[in-house]
Amino acid sequence: DAKTTQPNSMESNEEEPVHLPCNHSTISGTDYIHWYRQLPSQGPEYVIHGLTSNVNNRMASLAIAEDRKSSTLILHRATLRDAAVYYCILKFGNTNAGKSTFGDGTTLTVKP
Amino acid sequence: KAGVTQTPRYLIKTRGQQVTLSCSPISGHRSVSWYQQTPGQGLQFLFEYFSETQRNKGNFPGRFSGRQFSNSRSEMNVSTLELGDSALYLCASSLGLAGGSSRSGANVLTFGAGSRLTVL
Repeated sequence: DAKTTQPNSMESNEEEPVHLPCNHSTISGTDYIHWYRQLPSQGPEYVIHGLTSNVNNRMASLAIAEDRKSSTLILHRATLRDAAVYYCILKFGNTNAGKSTFGDGTTLTVKP
Repeated sequence: KAGVTQTPRYLIKTRGQQVTLSCSPISGHRSVSWYQQTPGQGLQFLFEYFSETQRNKGNFPGRFSGRQFSNSRSEMNVSTLELGDSALYLCASSLGLAGGSSRSGANVLTFGAGSRLTVL
């Protein structure tokens, strides 16, 4: 199963942009890249996902490398409420669609 | 619309007992997956159900089992509890698609708040 690699932790200042990287060098052509985040004492929540093209939504932007072996989640203006563990996962196509391998994620600390 | 509901939220059991956890998915979602989260092992995939059939299974012993009902609600059971089973058990639902193709949006996971199990 393809896995993702993320830095253990990152820090950001409030109201500054944050770029959270993720490596997925063994990604296959049918894998979607999903990002979730988990706030303290809560279940993970969906942030964004994409296949090949960059994606934007109200929460964040997702930049996907041309070879799809890496991606970057971009929070345009970090707030204290963005402090969480961010997980980058691959949603497999075909019969493994439901099997999601979560790594350790990146713990984002936002400083006021 | 209502989110994913997990019950109970907290429970305490002793070694050797069994436990059943329940998950009600978002209306219209046909896929339910379960995860175990511990400080040492992180988020680990247990199993996934779609249309009452187990479609995927993680690397957990047979003491961990689950099922899905015709209304998509799911239960997981852990028998002969061990201290190491203490964890947050998370359920997630998604639209899912027959055949498992990962069409955009169909496999976006919505998680519940979890059931925190403590084994003494």
